[in-house]
Amino acid sequence: DAGVTQSPTHLIKTRGQQVTLRCSPKSGHDTVSWYQQALGQGPQFIFQYYEEEERQRGNFPDRFSGHQFPNYSSELNVNALLLGDSALYLCASSLVAVSGNTIYFGEGSWLTVV
Amino acid sequence: AQSVAQPEDQVNVAEGNPLTVKCTYSVSGNPYLFWYVQYPNRGLQFLLKYITGDNLVKGSYGFEAEFNKSQTSFHLKKPSALVSDSALYFCAVRESLEDFQKLVFGTGTRLLVSP
Repeated sequence: DAGVTQSPTHLIKTRGQQVTLRCSPKSGHDTVSWYQQALGQGPQFIFQYYEEEERQRGNFPDRFSGHQFPNYSSELNVNALLLGDSALYLCASSLVAVSGNTIYFGEGSWLTVV
Repeated sequence: AQSVAQPEDQVNVAEGNPLTVKCTYSVSGNPYLFWYVQYPNRGLQFLLKYITGDNLVKGSYGFEAEFNKSQTSFHLKKPSALVSDSALYFCAVRESLEDFQKLVFGTGTRLLVSP
């Protein structure tokens, strides 16, 4: 049973560029969310997608956008990259219909902005 | 808004001794509480959760946590620590089941288990 998978594992971008990160949820899961974890901090909620729509959003600017596809996979896009966007980006998935569902995380994508 | 506090940046314990990693929370309604572990350069691994029911929750790798509503705490415990338990531990809270996946995390506690 494959867990949450993310790609790429590591990437380096230049300030002002755009980046796309990808996530496949755990088998059977239908909702995906994204978190940003800066060095030495806990993960911060960016947004959550369900039924191909953004359902909740954390305190992140519009430069952060996403998408969910019919197969439940998801992308996180960040435009106009800033040095402060350097972080580990974590994707999480779960099954909405299950009350008290467990949220599973992927291994993350390390983004370095130079 | 909900919040989580992990008052200790680091906890040191000798192998074989019991360990406790502390977590307190603040929510306006009933809390849904989680513990995750993060090994170096890895993602988060789920350990256990409290949704409702028994205040003592048992999870993976021999860990357990005690929910205390009056003290608004959800401390992580293990009777006998292993060197391999050394990692970064995060407590998280979800304010309502309708929040779906919006977890609010603490700042993390680094656990160091010495041989």
